[in-house]
Amino acid sequence: KAGVTQTPRYLIKTRGQQVTLSCSPISGHRSVSWYQQTPGQGLQFLFEYFSETQRNKGNFPGRFSGRQFSNSRSEMNVSTLELGDSALYLCASSSGAGGQETQYFGPGTRLLVL
Amino acid sequence: AQSVTQLDSQVPVFEEAPVELRCNYSSSVSVYLFWYVQYPNQGLQLLLKYLSGSTLVKGINGFEAEFNKSQTSFHLRKPSVHISDTAEYFCAVSDPRTGNQFYFGTGTSLTVIP
Repeated sequence: KAGVTQTPRYLIKTRGQQVTLSCSPISGHRSVSWYQQTPGQGLQFLFEYFSETQRNKGNFPGRFSGRQFSNSRSEMNVSTLELGDSALYLCASSSGAGGQETQYFGPGTRLLVL
Repeated sequence: AQSVTQLDSQVPVFEEAPVELRCNYSSSVSVYLFWYVQYPNQGLQLLLKYLSGSTLVKGINGFEAEFNKSQTSFHLRKPSVHISDTAEYFCAVSDPRTGNQFYFGTGTSLTVIP
């Protein structure tokens, strides 16, 4: 099976712009989670979608939003970008939503906000 | 909410020596425990996980971890490291009540010295 893919791999934006990141999960996986990884804060949970419904949400401002499509592909949107949004954004997919399933991570999208 | 503490941010070790990476968690309920590894410019890969049962868990690449409920610890060990084990290691927990919302430690950078 193909792994989790994320596009684009690299992005450069300026403050105030918005950005959309895409994640394609492993075939058959219905859960997609998003994480922000920074040197200072480490890996922080953004949100999880399962069968097109947001099941969990981390402690991030409303500028961060997401959605999941019927084919389980997911997008994450960040509006009004700030310098502090520069990070590696990782998505992970799993077959279930119970917390015990293995999370399969994509390579990430590295976002730089200038 | 759960929290995870990785006590060592950097661990240098000589090739073929044993290593232990420490992880403690804070939770008032039973949790699932995981160790992930991240190689440069890649996503995270599962090493092993503890869900229930035997407290000694064996994973890939010769790694193992022991769950200690009384000390709320889940330390990762390998009896003999290789150069290829140089990477960032993350301990994580999930709460069965909140499913795929994972809480990660800040990571331990393992450097294997030839």
